[in-house]
Amino acid sequence: NAGVTQTPKFRVLKTGQSMTLLCAQDMNHEYMYWYRQDPGMGLRLIHYSVGEGTTAKGEVPDGYNVSRLKKQNFLLGLESAAPSQTSVYFCATRVGAGGQDNEQFFGPGTRLTVL
Amino acid sequence: RKEVEQDPGPFNVPEGATVAFNCTYSNSASQSFFWYRQDCRKEPKLLMSVYSSGNEDGRFTAQLNRASQYISLLIRDSKLSDSATYLCVAFDRGSTLGRLYFGRGTQLTVWP
Repeated sequence: NAGVTQTPKFRVLKTGQSMTLLCAQDMNHEYMYWYRQDPGMGLRLIHYSVGEGTTAKGEVPDGYNVSRLKKQNFLLGLESAAPSQTSVYFCATRVGAGGQDNEQFFGPGTRLTVL
Repeated sequence: RKEVEQDPGPFNVPEGATVAFNCTYSNSASQSFFWYRQDCRKEPKLLMSVYSSGNEDGRFTAQLNRASQYISLLIRDSKLSDSATYLCVAFDRGSTLGRLYFGRGTQLTVWP
């Protein structure tokens, strides 16, 4: 099992360009999350999904859109990239609500630089 | 105010030392707590869960004090391989998402 994978691993964009980050999981988890991590800021939640076809905003959703058309994939889109979106992006998954299965499993991250 | 607050460090300790990290959380509804470890330029990984009675896993001991809304992690006999950033995490099952709230992390460097 691959667990949680992210593509691409690195990307450099120019201001105004668009791109999509892909998160894929093979653990059949219901919940999926997109975070960004910046120095001194910790992990901040961008968007999340509690199941196929559902998405919702997190703490810092502006400038991003997401889609969860298939249970195993969660896409994060930047329509018009800005330098403030330079960051490391992590995808994470969780089994689902309730119980003791609260552990989040993280992908390896995508390092994005916007010039 | 952040949901979870940690001393960012850095903590620099020699091999074999004992080091303790502290963390406070603001939401009394938080129901579960965890410590994650993050190596440089890597993703966070679960280190251990934190239970009300305290729990131990080898050289690592986690404690929870609900009255003071305080969590701690104790590392005994530090190894070079313990060098990493340690993230304190609170889980709020009561919210619609069942969210994890991450602290900003405490950086540890163990030197020979």
